[in-house]
Amino acid sequence: KNEVEQSPQNLTAQEGEFITINCSYSVGISALHWLQQHPGGGIVSLFMLSSGKKKHGRLIATINIQEKHSSLHITASHPRDSAVYICAVRSPRTGNQFYFGTGTSLTVIP
Amino acid sequence: AAGVIQSPRHLIKEKRETATLKCYPIPRHDTVYWYQQGPGQDPQFLISFYEKMQSDKGSIPDRFSAQQFSDYHSELNMSSLELGDSALYFCASSSPQTGNTEAFFGQGTRLTVV
Repeated sequence: KNEVEQSPQNLTAQEGEFITINCSYSVGISALHWLQQHPGGGIVSLFMLSSGKKKHGRLIATINIQEKHSSLHITASHPRDSAVYICAVRSPRTGNQFYFGTGTSLTVIP
Repeated sequence: AAGVIQSPRHLIKEKRETATLKCYPIPRHDTVYWYQQGPGQDPQFLISFYEKMQSDKGSIPDRFSAQQFSDYHSELNMSSLELGDSALYFCASSSPQTGNTEAFFGQGTRLTVV
């Protein structure tokens, strides 16, 4: 059983579409992170959330602590958004280690 | 703003060689976590340090060792490299001083063993 579940696993969208990636977790957390990883590339931190909502450019991240759920939204998607998006949570139960979702592979078609 | 710095970004080594990966945390962060992500795999926790002491240990092979120095940077030493060690190695830093809600990830070191 994964402590962090993401959906969908794979997503293909047309350029300009609004995209939503979901993350549900089952453990108590101190914070949730959204990460981006391009093929063969490193980790890029997009957001760190412990409550509410954050926005950075075309990216929006929300978290509902009561429902143990977070969403990452991409507005006006672009081919350069094509990447794997990973949800990671920190749990005080395990010394604040991170649990990682399996990632959502996004492809944005021009 | 300063971020978590990892060096080198890319590294190619031959089998049985050694490698040293470095992680420089955010200023004032005293906790470092190391993760290994093989091709197409989820990240695996290797080891963590708090205040220069090992705080937790995950699936780190005996061929690997790590330490945290007085300036809080950490080094992952890998010996007798195997083909299966090819992976992205990334670290994250945090501090209990910030209530453990603040953490930052390094971009990772991509190690290729040939």
